[in-house]
Amino acid sequence: AQTVTQSQPEMSVQEAETVTLSCTYDTSENNYYLFWYKQPPSRQMILVIRQEAYKQQNATENRFSVNFQKAAKSFSLKISDSQLGDTAMYFCAFNAGKSTFGDGTTLTVKP
Amino acid sequence: DTGVSQNPRHKITKRGQNVTFRCDPISEHNRLYWYRQTLGQGPEFLTYFQNEAQLEKSRLLSDRFSAERPKGSFSTLEIQRTEQGDSAMYLCASSFTGRNTEAFFGQGTRLTVV
Repeated sequence: AQTVTQSQPEMSVQEAETVTLSCTYDTSENNYYLFWYKQPPSRQMILVIRQEAYKQQNATENRFSVNFQKAAKSFSLKISDSQLGDTAMYFCAFNAGKSTFGDGTTLTVKP
Repeated sequence: DTGVSQNPRHKITKRGQNVTFRCDPISEHNRLYWYRQTLGQGPEFLTYFQNEAQLEKSRLLSDRFSAERPKGSFSTLEIQRTEQGDSAMYLCASSFTGRNTEAFFGQGTRLTVV
């Protein structure tokens, strides 16, 4: 069974600054993908970024990037130039057929 | 296509009643997932379908829960004899087959059992 752990229940950051959200996972699978999803207040969950486990290069999507450390089973999300619209709950997810989610980190971006 | 649609958005029911939720996935997607989310927690896997076949059901899911996806299109999730512990947000998501594909989520159905 896979487990996903997000150790930071809440975080805050000043607008325009950088913040890193942590995620660790445990699995015996070799073929899997990792995702970060964003769930804004009262809105549906949407994909932020994905990482293929067999790729060493870290994924980047505009202001969002990941630090993927396969041996350590770590998959953190870095948000640069934080914006007020980034305020949301962020979920790390592991997919080896179906997605297993962490319990999320609530991020508040302060003006 | 307007994305994944879930109905109703909110449901209040008395303990012991049966409830049924509906999910309309993105039409091209062959996978459909049901998750349950309680306040402050991440989505908890319930079950998923590949077309009309139910491929996996969580061991946490009691016999009071059943899901169907007739003809591989929309899906229904039924909870029989509801209990207060069933109060949660029920999320539906759909995707193409493949571990690299993102899941597209609906807005969820919030169930309150009183």
